[in-house]
Amino acid sequence: GAVVSQHPSWVICKSGTSVKIECRSLDFQATTMFWYRQFPKQSLMLMATSNEGSKATYEQGVEKDKFLINHASLTLSTLTVTSAHPEDSSFYICSATSGLDGETQYFGPGTRLLVL
Amino acid sequence: EDQVTQSPEALRLQEGESSSLNCSYTVSGLRGLFWYRQDPGKGPEFLFTLYSAGEEKEKERLKATLTKKESFLHITAPKPEDSATYLCAVRRSGGYNKLIFGAGTRLAVHP
Repeated sequence: GAVVSQHPSWVICKSGTSVKIECRSLDFQATTMFWYRQFPKQSLMLMATSNEGSKATYEQGVEKDKFLINHASLTLSTLTVTSAHPEDSSFYICSATSGLDGETQYFGPGTRLLVL
Repeated sequence: EDQVTQSPEALRLQEGESSSLNCSYTVSGLRGLFWYRQDPGKGPEFLFTLYSAGEEKEKERLKATLTKKESFLHITAPKPEDSATYLCAVRRSGGYNKLIFGAGTRLAVHP
């Protein structure tokens, strides 16, 4: 149980284009979803927290107009990187907490974004 | 300020050589300490949650313990497949549901 998927797993795009990453909870309803980014050999950095049907809460220093988060349902959250630039290249990981075990975050497999 | 420090940064073990990873934390009201395992290019995999000092949890060759200031992840007779980065994270009380992660310990187990 507690499986989280992400799509796509890999994406390469040209500078200036927008990229959408999906995060789905497959076998539970996610009351809260989180988006992280991770640079090589570094730990996870929280970007934002989202609850279904409400606006995401962004961490300090994260541009909300650049990283658009939509938590449309209890099983789906999307992260859109708008007008991507090479410095946005990173490993993006989502996580979700369930209503039954609201304390534990279950992570997706991650999406590697490369902006050329 | 809430802080999580993991040591060592990297650890190399021979197969069967037991050892411990450390996670020291400073947080305003602990509401859970979490251990995750992360393989290269993948998302973290949940291992344990500990809530109060004195609590212990085990899973196969791993055992996690918690005191008021730190947590240990003990690895008994490790195998090469235990090689990964082990991440520690804390969650604090007060209605905050976000995790504060340590930098991780990169474990390499050689046959």
